[in-house]
Amino acid sequence: QKEVEQNSGPLSVPEGAIASLNCTYSDRGSQSFFWYRQYSGKSPELIMFIYSNGDKEDGRFTAQLNKASQYVSLLIRDSQPSDSATYLCAVAQGDARGGSGGYNKLIFGAGTRLAVHP
Amino acid sequence: DAGVIQSPRHEVTEMGQEVTLRCKPISGHNSLFWYRQTMMRGLELLIYFNNNVPIDDSGMPEDRFSAKMPNASFSTLKIQPSEPRDSAVYFCASSTLAGSPLHFGNGTRLTVT
Repeated sequence: QKEVEQNSGPLSVPEGAIASLNCTYSDRGSQSFFWYRQYSGKSPELIMFIYSNGDKEDGRFTAQLNKASQYVSLLIRDSQPSDSATYLCAVAQGDARGGSGGYNKLIFGAGTRLAVHP
Repeated sequence: DAGVIQSPRHEVTEMGQEVTLRCKPISGHNSLFWYRQTMMRGLELLIYFNNNVPIDDSGMPEDRFSAKMPNASFSTLKIQPSEPRDSAVYFCASSTLAGSPLHFGNGTRLTVT
């Protein structure tokens, strides 16, 4: 079982619709969760991070976390063609060897390719 | 803020040659990560450092790979000898120790022929 799993897609949605991206993880001790967007040929860029159960909204983006189910999702409202990219879910795994101060090891899922068509 | 700086942007080399990739993290960031990205395997964590000390190198594929961080502002990833299967995009990323997100460099696209 992979540590962080995502549906590879492609997920195709019409412009203006809600895109829902999902991610599950295996390490119950994980505390921090991130969504990155990666355009073809570019580096990953951070969209959202979430630490607590529930929803966190930032503009058109909402991250949802359910630690009991080991599930994190990203909703994109009013999807635009410019949102077409690969979305990477990342989970921070604590590592005592790294000392105190938070997470030390960020594991990425394989990514879900989103295509928003006009 | 100049961001994470990687060099070179592209590297083409022949099998058996030594390759050195370079990274300058964001000033003030205490953690530095090296990732490799391929279509088949996605983003794989190779090694990470906290305060210049290597913490976990379990992702380094073989002894041909080595990484160093001689000071807080510089890290290298070396492959010697290189093989065609090492062809990938190599990303360096940095963060603070407090659990903030990673900031990625633009990557080095390595092609080994």
